[in-house]
Amino acid sequence: KNQVEQSPQSLIILEGKNCTLQCNYTVSPFSNLRWYKQDTGRGPVSLTIMTFSENTKSNGRYTATLDADTKQSSLHITASQLSDSASYICVVSEPGSGGYQKVTFGTGTKLQVIP
Amino acid sequence: KAGVTQTPRYLIKTRGQQVTLSCSPISGHRSVSWYQQTPGQGLQFLFEYFSETQRNKGNFPGRFSGRQFSNSRSEMNVSTLELGDSALYLCASSPRTSGRGYQETQYFGPGTRLLVL
Repeated sequence: KNQVEQSPQSLIILEGKNCTLQCNYTVSPFSNLRWYKQDTGRGPVSLTIMTFSENTKSNGRYTATLDADTKQSSLHITASQLSDSASYICVVSEPGSGGYQKVTFGTGTKLQVIP
Repeated sequence: KAGVTQTPRYLIKTRGQQVTLSCSPISGHRSVSWYQQTPGQGLQFLFEYFSETQRNKGNFPGRFSGRQFSNSRSEMNVSTLELGDSALYLCASSPRTSGRGYQETQYFGPGTRLLVL
């Protein structure tokens, strides 16, 4: 079982609508959680990074929340645009020796925004 | 500042061959990580290099190896290619400021798409 589960696997929404993507993880101990956006054919781009002590982090129309007690995170996209169509990947890191991290990737949510 | 660059962008090889992929990190970044991305498995961590030393390693067979040079550029090598090695190989760099690596953003390159026939 993957230590980082994302839902839904795919999502289609109308332009201008809001949506929320979920990420549940079992990775422990926990160092930080990141959300990435990956356009088709391109490398991932970092959206937010949250440590265990942070509850929320915003980046423009993207707002990530974290509940370290329930090991859940969500990424909320407000007023979606066609350019938001992409895969969104949740990544959880465990602390390693010397400050290095062991990273576990979720399988991603594929979002399609239609006009 | 130029982003992370990877060469080549596309590559076709046959089973049994070997391949070397190259990654140039953002200027000043000292950490380079490699990832494999496939439709079935998603993104998987291969290894991380810092100061020319492998610091972290994922669960991949020994056919996958890498190295980092003194200028932080990194290469990844896959020997005895298998059909299942067909994937997008991504490289990411980060500053790796001492003691604060866990807070750093990783910057990804565009990837090298490898097709093994």
